[in-house]
Amino acid sequence: DTGVSQDPRHKITKRGQNVTFRCDPISEHNRLYWYRQTLGQGPEFLTYFQNEAQLEKSRLLSDRFSAERPKGSFSTLEIQRTEQGDSAMYLCASSFTLYNEQFFGPGTRLTVL
Amino acid sequence: GEDVEQSLFLSVREGDSSVINCTYTDSSSTYLYWYKQEPGAGLQLLTYIFSNMDMKQDQRLTVLLNKKDKHLSLRIADTQTGDSAIYFCAEKTPPGNNAGNMLTFGGGTRLMVKP
Repeated sequence: DTGVSQDPRHKITKRGQNVTFRCDPISEHNRLYWYRQTLGQGPEFLTYFQNEAQLEKSRLLSDRFSAERPKGSFSTLEIQRTEQGDSAMYLCASSFTLYNEQFFGPGTRLTVL
Repeated sequence: GEDVEQSLFLSVREGDSSVINCTYTDSSSTYLYWYKQEPGAGLQLLTYIFSNMDMKQDQRLTVLLNKKDKHLSLRIADTQTGDSAIYFCAEKTPPGNNAGNMLTFGGGTRLMVKP
């Protein structure tokens, strides 16, 4: 399968714990995006990388959130001191500069108890 | 800021055509997209249209864009039960402004296809 992959698919954690999600984009894609989707809503943009540089961050990305893409390939999204309001589906997407399609992964569903 | 609106729900009979509508507010949008999401899954890109086009057809899918009214529609011909899903429209803002290359999504339209 050469699509975008995300790990884990599901994560249940207790309030106050830290969690980390991983995204592997389509191999030749240099752009990588993180979105958050809450129940019944459309995805909302969180942050965007071009290669290893983080170029955009949404106001939704509080200080407890950090994203990295150290070698311009896979990316991690860490949430520190999770809160119940962080419960959502976290979606990763990738694209290539010359094309206009963003392809999404299956998402990581986070439940904070 | 950008705002994308969709109706919440559409129900059609198998074999009929479905038309899902979307309105957006950012007149500088360069591309507009339609994605499909099945329960518990990620988003599947269906099609997209460049803002200087009026129409795009791809097999059973027809996208119509009225740039003056900022109205986008997706028509699915011969709708099948497998088309039951949530459909999202999204707009892409041009690079160079604060919004970067992100997509702004509507809230989604749930399409139910009755046999």
